[in-house]
Amino acid sequence: AQSVTQLDSHVSVSEGTPVLLRCNYSSSYSPSLFWYVQHPNKGLQLLLKYTSAATLVKGINGFEAEFKKSETSFHLTKPSAHMSDAAEYFCVVTRGTGGFKTIFGAGTRLFVKA
Amino acid sequence: DTEVTQTPKHLVMGMTNKKSLKCEQHMGHRAMYWYKQKAKKPPELMFVYSYEKLSINESVPSRFSPECPNSSLLNLHLHALQPEDSALYLCASSEATIRFYEQYFGPGTRLTVT
Repeated sequence: AQSVTQLDSHVSVSEGTPVLLRCNYSSSYSPSLFWYVQHPNKGLQLLLKYTSAATLVKGINGFEAEFKKSETSFHLTKPSAHMSDAAEYFCVVTRGTGGFKTIFGAGTRLFVKA
Repeated sequence: DTEVTQTPKHLVMGMTNKKSLKCEQHMGHRAMYWYKQKAKKPPELMFVYSYEKLSINESVPSRFSPECPNSSLLNLHLHALQPEDSALYLCASSEATIRFYEQYFGPGTRLTVT
C-alpha cells in the first residue's frame, strides 16, 4: 500500500534562512514523487518531481529534493527563504503498477518571517 | 500553453439547483482529473478520465456527475448538493495516467452550497 507522511504541519523560518520540509513515503511499487506548492486560494503548482532517474532533483524557484530509498524520504530544501515562499506544500506519490493512484500528504504550511 | 482553465471562479448555489463546473486544457493531455479540497486539507481525488473514458470514480455520491465531451474539456455537473459539499473544486490534467507524469492544476472553482 502507498502512503505519504509530511512530518511537520507547520514550519516557520526567517527570510534568508534555509528551508527544510520533510516527507516520508511507503510504497510497494516503484513510486514517482512530487512536490507541489499552493498559494492561498490558488491551484497547485509543480515544484519538482522524482521518477527514478537522478536522486537529487532540482526544481523551480531554487527548490531541490533528494530521494533516499534507504530512508524512504523525499525532503524538500531551499538554501534561502523568500517572503514569496510562504504557502502550503504537498508531497505526492503516484504509482502505475496495480492501478493508477495519486496520494497526497497532509501538507506543510510554510511561514516566512521578515 | 501549460494552462488549465476553470470556470466559474466562484459559484453559490442552493441545495435544489443544478449547475456545472467547466475545465479546459489545450496541452494535448489525455488524462483529466477532478479533485475536491476542503479548507486546510489536501485535495481528494474524485474522478479520473483517461482518453475521454471514466477510469476512476472514488466512490463519489451521484449528485456529482462528470462528463468529458472531448479530449480538451471536462465538466462536473452538480445537482441536489449538500452544504458539506462546499469546497474548492480543482481540475487537473496530465499526459496520461502513468506514474511519472506530473499533473497541471487549474485555479479551482470555489463552491458554496446554501
